[in-house]
Amino acid sequence: GIQVEQSPPDLILQEGANSTLRCNFSDSVNNLQWFHQNPWGQLINLFYIPSGTKQNGRLSATTVATERYSLLYISSSQTTDSGVYFCAVEYAGGTSYGKLTFGQGTILTVHP
Amino acid sequence: SAVISQKPSRDICQRGTSLTIQCQVDSQVTMMFWYRQQPGQSLTLIATANQGSEATYESGFVIDKFPISRPNLTFSTLTVSNMSPEDSSIYLCSVARDGYTFGSGTRLTVV
Repeated sequence: GIQVEQSPPDLILQEGANSTLRCNFSDSVNNLQWFHQNPWGQLINLFYIPSGTKQNGRLSATTVATERYSLLYISSSQTTDSGVYFCAVEYAGGTSYGKLTFGQGTILTVHP
Repeated sequence: SAVISQKPSRDICQRGTSLTIQCQVDSQVTMMFWYRQQPGQSLTLIATANQGSEATYESGFVIDKFPISRPNLTFSTLTVSNMSPEDSSIYLCSVARDGYTFGSGTRLTVV
């Protein structure tokens, strides 16, 4: 099946710093989504971004599908940004409609 | 995007018992998906629940352990059967409609 790799696995920042999280995938995808999992376990949708660039406040994301990677940018980080960031993809082959394969996540800790 | 109500939010269960998790969607969807997140791990797809047909299970998951019901286009249940401590996880349901939406999760602890 498709492989999804996220880097870095862990990231520690001071409040106000900027960061870039990366997601590489091994095959063609129909869709890609970034999530933030808060300390209570809830998955928060950040970006649905199979290609192109999107921005939402301090967060932005870029997916280059032809090169099989996506980037999540966090600017001016805040302590509330702490948590786990997941990249998930829907494989373009076979009977994968709606099924997501998740990366292992990036654990972000933002210190005041 | 869809809104999903999932319950219970958490439970502590005795080994050997079963727990049924419910997900209600605010609109009709063809497929619903069930995921498991073991402690400190990423999410793994358990099965796809289709209305009017048997659920489709991913490798490593079997119907006897995780029976699924899908009585209509807005509702599904996942049962975790004959539980052991290794079943302690967060279980989440999901739908794919204008992106992917997840329920708030069920945090299960088996003692």
